[in-house]
Amino acid sequence: EPEVTQTPSHQVTQMGQEVILRCVPISNHLYFYWYRQILGQKVEFLVSFYNNEISEKSEIFDDQFSVERPDGSNFTLKIRSTKLEDSAMYFCASSKADYSNQPQHFGDGTRLSIL
Amino acid sequence: DQQVKQNSPSLSVQEGRISILNCDYTNSMFDYFLWYKKYPAEGPTFLISISSIKDKNEDGRFTVFLNKSAKHLSLHIVPSQPGDSAVYFCAARRAGGTSYGKLTFGQGTILTVHP
Repeated sequence: EPEVTQTPSHQVTQMGQEVILRCVPISNHLYFYWYRQILGQKVEFLVSFYNNEISEKSEIFDDQFSVERPDGSNFTLKIRSTKLEDSAMYFCASSKADYSNQPQHFGDGTRLSIL
Repeated sequence: DQQVKQNSPSLSVQEGRISILNCDYTNSMFDYFLWYKKYPAEGPTFLISISSIKDKNEDGRFTVFLNKSAKHLSLHIVPSQPGDSAVYFCAARRAGGTSYGKLTFGQGTILTVHP
Protein backbone atom coordinates (compact mmCIF):
# COMPACT_ATOMS: atom_id res chain seq x y z
CA GLU A 1 0.00 0.00 0.00
CA PRO A 2 1.38 3.45 -0.91
CA GLU A 3 2.61 5.48 2.01
CA VAL A 4 3.99 8.88 2.94
CA THR A 5 7.71 8.75 3.68
CA GLN A 6 9.65 11.26 5.77
CA THR A 7 13.37 11.82 6.21
CA PRO A 8 15.29 12.01 8.41
CA SER A 9 13.58 10.12 11.22
CA HIS A 10 15.54 12.15 13.78
CA GLN A 11 17.27 15.51 13.33
CA VAL A 12 19.41 17.16 16.00
CA THR A 13 20.26 20.82 15.35
CA GLN A 14 21.82 23.70 17.22
CA MET A 15 19.52 26.62 18.05
CA GLY A 16 19.65 29.26 15.35
CA GLN A 17 20.52 26.82 12.58
CA GLU A 18 18.38 26.14 9.55
CA VAL A 19 16.73 22.75 9.17
CA ILE A 20 14.92 21.13 6.25
CA LEU A 21 12.51 18.27 6.80
CA ARG A 22 11.65 16.17 3.78
CA CYS A 23 8.56 14.28 2.76
CA VAL A 24 7.51 12.20 -0.22
CA PRO A 25 3.70 12.22 -0.35
CA ILE A 26 1.62 9.45 -1.91
CA SER A 27 2.06 9.79 -5.66
CA ASN A 28 -1.51 10.52 -6.82
CA HIS A 29 -2.29 12.89 -3.94
CA LEU A 30 -2.75 16.58 -4.59
CA TYR A 31 -2.94 18.13 -1.13
CA PHE A 32 -0.06 18.23 1.27
CA TYR A 33 0.16 19.15 4.95
CA TRP A 34 2.57 19.60 7.81
CA TYR A 35 1.57 19.02 11.43
CA ARG A 36 3.62 18.92 14.58
CA GLN A 37 3.27 17.38 18.01
CA ILE A 38 5.20 18.81 20.92
CA LEU A 39 5.81 16.16 23.58
CA GLY A 40 2.71 15.70 25.72
CA GLN A 41 0.56 17.99 23.56
CA LYS A 42 -1.95 17.59 20.75
CA VAL A 43 -1.11 17.12 17.10
CA GLU A 44 -1.45 20.63 15.66
CA PHE A 45 -1.83 21.87 12.11
CA LEU A 46 0.93 23.98 10.59
CA VAL A 47 0.22 24.43 6.88
CA SER A 48 -1.61 23.06 3.87
CA PHE A 49 -0.29 23.23 0.30
CA TYR A 50 -1.99 22.77 -3.05
CA ASN A 51 -1.12 23.63 -6.62
CA ASN A 52 2.30 24.92 -5.59
CA GLU A 53 1.05 27.41 -3.09
CA ILE A 54 0.06 27.60 0.55
CA SER A 55 -3.70 27.14 1.01
CA GLU A 56 -3.84 27.79 4.73
CA LYS A 57 -1.41 28.27 7.58
CA SER A 58 -1.72 28.41 11.34
CA GLU A 59 -0.47 31.08 13.72
CA ILE A 60 2.53 28.86 14.45
CA PHE A 61 3.64 29.02 10.82
CA ASP A 62 5.41 32.38 11.00
CA ASP A 63 8.13 33.89 8.78
CA GLN A 64 10.67 31.38 10.08
CA PHE A 65 8.80 28.57 8.35
CA SER A 66 8.48 27.87 4.64
CA VAL A 67 7.32 24.99 2.49
CA GLU A 68 8.27 23.99 -1.00
CA ARG A 69 7.60 21.32 -3.56
CA PRO A 70 10.93 21.47 -5.41
CA ASP A 71 10.10 18.66 -7.83
CA GLY A 72 7.24 16.32 -8.65
CA SER A 73 7.71 14.12 -5.61
CA ASN A 74 9.25 15.92 -2.63
CA PHE A 75 7.57 18.29 -0.20
CA THR A 76 9.79 20.11 2.28
CA LEU A 77 9.41 22.13 5.46
CA LYS A 78 12.19 24.60 6.23
CA ILE A 79 12.74 26.32 9.53
CA ARG A 80 15.17 29.19 8.98
CA SER A 81 16.46 29.88 12.46
CA THR A 82 15.44 27.18 14.89
CA LYS A 83 14.38 27.89 18.47
CA LEU A 84 14.28 25.55 21.46
CA GLU A 85 10.47 25.52 21.27
CA ASP A 86 10.61 24.09 17.74
CA SER A 87 11.56 20.74 19.26
CA ALA A 88 8.72 18.39 18.32
CA MET A 89 7.63 15.54 16.07
CA TYR A 90 6.84 16.88 12.62
CA PHE A 91 4.37 14.90 10.54
CA CYS A 92 3.79 15.25 6.83
CA ALA A 93 0.41 14.19 5.42
CA SER A 94 -1.21 14.03 2.01
CA SER A 95 -4.69 13.49 0.60
CA LYS A 96 -6.30 13.09 -2.80
CA ALA A 97 -8.48 16.11 -2.14
CA ASP A 98 -9.36 18.45 0.69
CA TYR A 99 -13.06 17.79 0.29
CA SER A 100 -15.36 14.88 -0.51
CA ASN A 101 -14.30 12.93 2.53
CA GLN A 102 -10.79 12.06 1.52
CA PRO A 103 -8.72 11.15 4.59
CA GLN A 104 -5.22 12.45 5.14
CA HIS A 105 -2.48 9.86 5.32
CA PHE A 106 0.47 10.55 7.56
CA GLY A 107 4.15 9.70 7.48
CA ASP A 108 6.03 8.35 10.48
CA GLY A 109 7.38 11.78 11.35
CA THR A 110 10.70 13.48 11.95
CA ARG A 111 11.73 14.01 15.54
CA LEU A 112 13.40 17.43 15.65
CA SER A 113 15.58 18.14 18.67
CA ILE A 114 16.95 21.66 19.10
CA LEU A 115 19.93 22.01 21.42
CA ASP B 1 -7.52 24.87 21.17
CA GLN B 2 -10.27 22.85 22.87
CA GLN B 3 -12.51 22.34 19.83
CA VAL B 4 -11.99 18.57 19.89
CA LYS B 5 -11.73 16.80 23.23
CA GLN B 6 -11.07 13.24 24.25
CA ASN B 7 -11.78 13.27 27.94
CA SER B 8 -10.44 9.81 28.75
CA PRO B 9 -6.63 9.73 28.68
CA SER B 10 -6.64 5.94 28.87
CA LEU B 11 -8.84 2.88 28.54
CA SER B 12 -8.12 -0.70 29.55
CA VAL B 13 -10.13 -3.58 28.05
CA GLN B 14 -9.99 -7.37 28.08
CA GLU B 15 -9.30 -9.16 24.82
CA GLY B 16 -12.53 -10.10 23.05
CA ARG B 17 -14.59 -7.39 24.74
CA ILE B 18 -15.77 -4.11 23.25
CA SER B 19 -13.63 -0.97 23.37
CA ILE B 20 -15.50 2.34 23.25
CA LEU B 21 -13.51 5.51 22.69
CA ASN B 22 -15.25 8.84 22.96
CA CYS B 23 -14.75 12.27 21.45
CA ASP B 24 -16.59 15.58 21.88
CA TYR B 25 -16.40 18.67 19.72
CA THR B 26 -17.62 22.21 20.05
CA ASN B 27 -17.42 23.63 16.52
CA SER B 28 -20.72 23.04 14.68
CA MET B 29 -18.93 23.80 11.39
CA PHE B 30 -17.08 20.47 11.52
CA ASP B 31 -18.46 18.20 8.79
CA TYR B 32 -16.05 15.28 8.60
CA PHE B 33 -14.63 13.25 11.45
CA LEU B 34 -11.80 10.75 11.47
CA TRP B 35 -10.20 8.29 13.84
CA TYR B 36 -6.49 7.57 13.71
CA LYS B 37 -4.45 4.96 15.53
CA LYS B 38 -0.86 5.64 16.51
CA TYR B 39 1.84 3.25 17.64
CA PRO B 40 5.04 4.57 19.29
CA ALA B 41 7.59 5.89 16.78
CA GLU B 42 5.05 5.78 13.95
CA GLY B 43 2.74 8.35 12.41
CA PRO B 44 -1.04 8.36 12.84
CA THR B 45 -2.68 5.64 10.74
CA PHE B 46 -6.13 6.35 9.33
CA LEU B 47 -8.76 3.95 10.68
CA ILE B 48 -12.25 5.10 9.81
CA SER B 49 -14.17 8.27 9.12
CA ILE B 50 -17.70 9.59 9.05
CA SER B 51 -19.39 12.45 7.27
CA SER B 52 -21.79 14.68 9.17
CA ILE B 53 -24.65 13.50 6.94
CA LYS B 54 -24.39 10.01 8.47
CA ASP B 55 -24.76 8.76 12.02
CA LYS B 56 -22.90 5.47 11.66
CA ASN B 57 -20.09 4.01 9.59
CA GLU B 58 -18.77 0.49 9.86
CA ASP B 59 -15.57 -1.15 8.66
CA GLY B 60 -14.91 -4.64 9.93
CA ARG B 61 -14.36 -4.55 13.68
CA PHE B 62 -14.53 -0.76 13.75
CA THR B 63 -17.72 1.31 13.93
CA VAL B 64 -17.94 5.05 14.35
CA PHE B 65 -21.12 6.67 15.66
CA LEU B 66 -21.90 10.37 15.30
CA ASN B 67 -24.45 12.24 17.42
CA LYS B 68 -24.58 15.72 15.92
CA SER B 69 -27.03 17.15 18.40
CA ALA B 70 -24.74 16.17 21.26
CA LYS B 71 -21.59 17.01 19.24
CA HIS B 72 -20.25 13.61 20.20
CA LEU B 73 -18.69 10.72 18.35
CA SER B 74 -17.49 7.34 19.46
CA LEU B 75 -15.37 4.55 18.06
CA HIS B 76 -16.37 0.98 18.88
CA ILE B 77 -13.92 -1.87 18.42
CA VAL B 78 -15.45 -5.34 18.59
CA PRO B 79 -13.88 -7.70 19.44
CA SER B 80 -10.82 -5.97 20.87
CA GLN B 81 -7.44 -7.58 20.22
CA PRO B 82 -4.06 -7.03 21.91
CA GLY B 83 -2.74 -5.59 18.62
CA ASP B 84 -5.30 -2.78 18.98
CA SER B 85 -3.29 -1.39 21.90
CA ALA B 86 -2.24 2.08 20.73
CA VAL B 87 -3.09 5.76 21.07
CA TYR B 88 -6.36 6.66 19.32
CA PHE B 89 -6.90 10.18 18.03
CA CYS B 90 -10.17 11.75 17.04
CA ALA B 91 -9.88 14.50 14.39
CA ALA B 92 -12.34 16.85 12.72
CA ARG B 93 -12.38 18.95 9.58
CA ARG B 94 -14.35 22.12 8.97
CA ALA B 95 -16.67 22.52 6.02
CA GLY B 96 -15.96 25.18 3.42
CA GLY B 97 -14.58 28.61 4.11
CA THR B 98 -10.80 28.87 3.92
CA SER B 99 -10.17 25.64 5.77
CA TYR B 100 -8.42 23.57 3.13
CA GLY B 101 -8.59 20.21 4.81
CA LYS B 102 -7.04 21.33 8.10
CA LEU B 103 -7.60 18.68 10.77
CA THR B 104 -8.15 19.56 14.42
CA PHE B 105 -7.09 16.75 16.75
CA GLY B 106 -8.13 15.59 20.19
CA GLN B 107 -5.55 14.80 22.85
CA GLY B 108 -5.69 11.06 22.25
CA THR B 109 -6.75 8.05 24.34
CA ILE B 110 -4.32 5.27 25.17
CA LEU B 111 -6.07 1.94 24.64
CA THR B 112 -4.61 -1.15 26.30
CA VAL B 113 -6.12 -4.52 25.42
CA HIS B 114 -5.13 -7.25 27.86
CA PRO B 115 -4.87 -10.87 26.69
